[in-house]
Amino acid sequence: EAGVVQSPRYKIIEKKQPVAFWCNPISGHNTLYWYRQNLGQGPELLIRYENEEAVDDSQLPKDRFSAERLKGVDSTLKIQPAELGDSAVYLCASSARDSYTEAFFGQGTRLTVV
Amino acid sequence: GENVEQHPSTLSVQEGDSAVIKCTYSDSASNYFPWYKQELGKRPQLIIDIRSNVGEKKDQRIAVTLNKTAKHFSLHITETQPEDSAVYFCAASDTGGFKTIFGAGTRLFVKA
Repeated sequence: EAGVVQSPRYKIIEKKQPVAFWCNPISGHNTLYWYRQNLGQGPELLIRYENEEAVDDSQLPKDRFSAERLKGVDSTLKIQPAELGDSAVYLCASSARDSYTEAFFGQGTRLTVV
Repeated sequence: GENVEQHPSTLSVQEGDSAVIKCTYSDSASNYFPWYKQELGKRPQLIIDIRSNVGEKKDQRIAVTLNKTAKHFSLHITETQPEDSAVYFCAASDTGGFKTIFGAGTRLFVKA
């Protein structure tokens, strides 16, 4: 079974440019998460989806970040415009709907804003 | 806001020794506590987890303890090996993973 797939693995952009990340979760997983991981830090939740509905986006900087999960499967996270401080690894994770459930992470997209 | 504190941030042990990483959480609704291992440049992967109705869980060289009253939980690795070197993250989650908060991580070095 394929795990969580993310693309691209690496992205270098100039500040003020837009960027998008894509995530394909594990088949059958209703819950999808986007996390941001700064160097030397733990993952920080940006947004959580239950199927196609964003149920927790309180940590998403909505002035420049947006996300969508059409049809409740793949998801895209966008930053427009990117700032230097957005440089980080963006991790996507998915989990099955259950009482106690493990989150499976993708490899992440390492974003560098120059 | 809710948070998870993790200590130490860096831990260096000799091969064969034990390593202990400690976390405290603030959200009383937390009842699921996973631990993830992240090797350099790789994704976090679950190594062990514990639910709030259990005080201790063991899987070979890895064990986790939970004290719900004190809101503490710890990871214990015995007979450490060089391949245990990685960053370890604790997390606290409520039922269904609606709110999962990660600790800042512990970088473990196991010296051969």
